[in-house]
Formats: sequence, structure tokens, C-alpha cells
Amino acid sequence: NAGVTQTPKFQVLKTGQSMTLQCAQDMNHEYMSWYRQDPGMGLRLIHYSVGAGITDQGEVPNGYNVSRSTTEDFPLRLLSAAPSQTSVYFCASSYSPKVGVTGELFFGEGSRLTVL
Amino acid sequence: GENVEQHPSTLSVQEGDSAVIKCTYSDSASNYFPWYKQELGKGPQLIIDIRSNVGEKKDQRIAVTLNKTAKHFSLHITETQPEDSAVYFCAASITPRGGGGADGLTFGKGTHLIIQP
Repeated sequence: NAGVTQTPKFQVLKTGQSMTLQCAQDMNHEYMSWYRQDPGMGLRLIHYSVGAGITDQGEVPNGYNVSRSTTEDFPLRLLSAAPSQTSVYFCASSYSPKVGVTGELFFGEGSRLTVL
Repeated sequence: GENVEQHPSTLSVQEGDSAVIKCTYSDSASNYFPWYKQELGKGPQLIIDIRSNVGEKKDQRIAVTLNKTAKHFSLHITETQPEDSAVYFCAASITPRGGGGADGLTFGKGTHLIIQP
């Protein structure tokens, strides 16, 4: 059971480039989300999804796109990378929120992105 | 929206001593309070959580206490060991609305716990 798998673990981009951070989970979780972690800022929610075909914005969505075509995958796209997007990105999943109970979030190991 | 304040940002304790990390929250409707531990190079991992119908919860050397009136909750680690060194995050959420959504978990900024040998 792999849990939540993120790729790549490290990436360096130039300003203006685009890229996709991949996230896959094998726990059949309906809920998936993306966070960014910056020094002294904690974890801030970028986008989340409560099931295939459904996505919504979190606290800091600007500059990022997401889609959820399958239950397993939730890629995060940077449209035109900026130095302010230098950060560590975490994907997380949990059991269905539809039952109305906040459950444990399972995090991937993170993707460290540097934008020059 | 919810605002979670966490203190201290760094905590250094001698091995074997106790460590306490405190968090306050702003929304009195919050009713779920988890704590996550993040080891170097890893993603955060849930270590304990508490719901608002409970005042205290223990799991071996860790415990969490909740004061709803004062809107604060704390993590207590007793008999600290080197493997307790990590960054700890508190969070608050209103349920039932789902986990981690924009109206779900709000995280504190984290506490770097250092266990001195």
C-alpha cells in the first residue's frame, strides 16, 4: 500500500515555465487536496477536491490549476511559474468528507519546487 | 474564517523532560482539533486528535487538552525522546463540513521541537 505518492520530489523552473506536480493515492479516498509550505507560514491550502469531477479553491489558489478526472489522481498545474511559487508542495487525501466527519489527512512526502 | 495561533515557534527541551505546545483558535464553532508531526523531509502525519465533546485525550506519552471556553488546546509530550524532534502543527476545523476543505482544517504555523541529549 503506497499511500499518497508525489512526483517529482525536486524541480527547478525558470520564471514563466509551466509544469505539473503529480499526486496519486491508492486508498480510494474521495477527498484530495494540495498545500504549500513556506517557512514561518505553516500549511496553506491551494485547491481541494471532494470527488472525481469536483474541485474548489482554497486559501491561495492564484497561479495554480487542478483537475480530478479519476479518484486516484489529483495533479497540480503551475501555469506560468513565478519566484513567489518557490515552496514545498504537499498533496493530501482523506476518507469521504460527504459523511460529514473530518478525517485524518494522509500526506505525501512533498515536492520541493524552486523558481529562478 | 478561522484563525489558529500556535506557540512557541521553537521549543528546546532536555531529553526526558516534558514539552508543551499551545494553540488558540478564533471560531467558537470549531469542534475538531488534530495535531500533526512532520519529520525532516517527510509529510505531516496525524499523531492525535480531539473533538469538542472531550476535554482531554491521551495516547501513551502524548496528550491533548482542550479548553472550549478559552478557545485553546495544547499538546503535551512527556518523557521526551530524540525521535520526538520534529515540527508539530495544530489545526482546527468545523465538522460536519468535510476534511481539509476551504471551510475545513486551518493549520497553525508550526513548532519546531528540539530534544537536547
